[in-house]
Amino acid sequence: DTGVSQDPRHKITKRGQNVTFRCDPISEHNRLYWYRQTLGQGPEFLTYFQNEAQLEKSRLLSDRFSAERPKGSFSTLEIQRTEQGDSAMYLCASSSGDRGQGETQYFGPGTRLLVL
Amino acid sequence: AQKITQTQPGMFVQEKEAVTLDCTYDTSDPSYGLFWYKQPSSGEMIFLIYQGSYDQQNATEGRYSLNFQKARKSANLVISASQLGDSAMYFCAMREGLVNSGGYQKVTFGTGTKLQVIP
Repeated sequence: DTGVSQDPRHKITKRGQNVTFRCDPISEHNRLYWYRQTLGQGPEFLTYFQNEAQLEKSRLLSDRFSAERPKGSFSTLEIQRTEQGDSAMYLCASSSGDRGQGETQYFGPGTRLLVL
Repeated sequence: AQKITQTQPGMFVQEKEAVTLDCTYDTSDPSYGLFWYKQPSSGEMIFLIYQGSYDQQNATEGRYSLNFQKARKSANLVISASQLGDSAMYFCAMREGLVNSGGYQKVTFGTGTKLQVIP
């Protein structure tokens, strides 16, 4: 399967702990996105990478959040000192960036985070 | 103002019937793209169909078609011959700005419509 993969699929943590999620995009895609989705809402944009460069960050991404894509392939999203409000589904997507259909973002299965 | 509006929180459809899920959008950018995604209870967002703002014809992908009415700023999804496996949340999304113009072209999602197919 050559789709977007995310790990772990589920994470339960205690408030104050740090968590890290991983995303492996579709191999030929140079664009990678992180979203957060809470119950009853659509995904909300968090951050965007083109190759290894982080080009855009949402105001939703507080100082406790950091994302990296060190070699332009996989990406990690770390949340430090987790809070109960961080509980959500974290979705990763990738796209080729080509005009037209190529701008379509393909999503991974997501990581469900529960902060106790 | 909401960029993407999905006014139907929930919809029911009889199996084998067609259903239309509504989506209206708001943008002043002449270049944009419209997408529909399906999200089953497992959580994965599955891409269904894409329509570019300059596309002359309505997009179709198998049982999915996008009823694109540019002047009305609507991009309704039509699912023909509904199947039980179509039961899911459906999200409309819009990308604004030119692709490959450099930088990030924001994609905004609606709040979704929950479709339930009745046997």
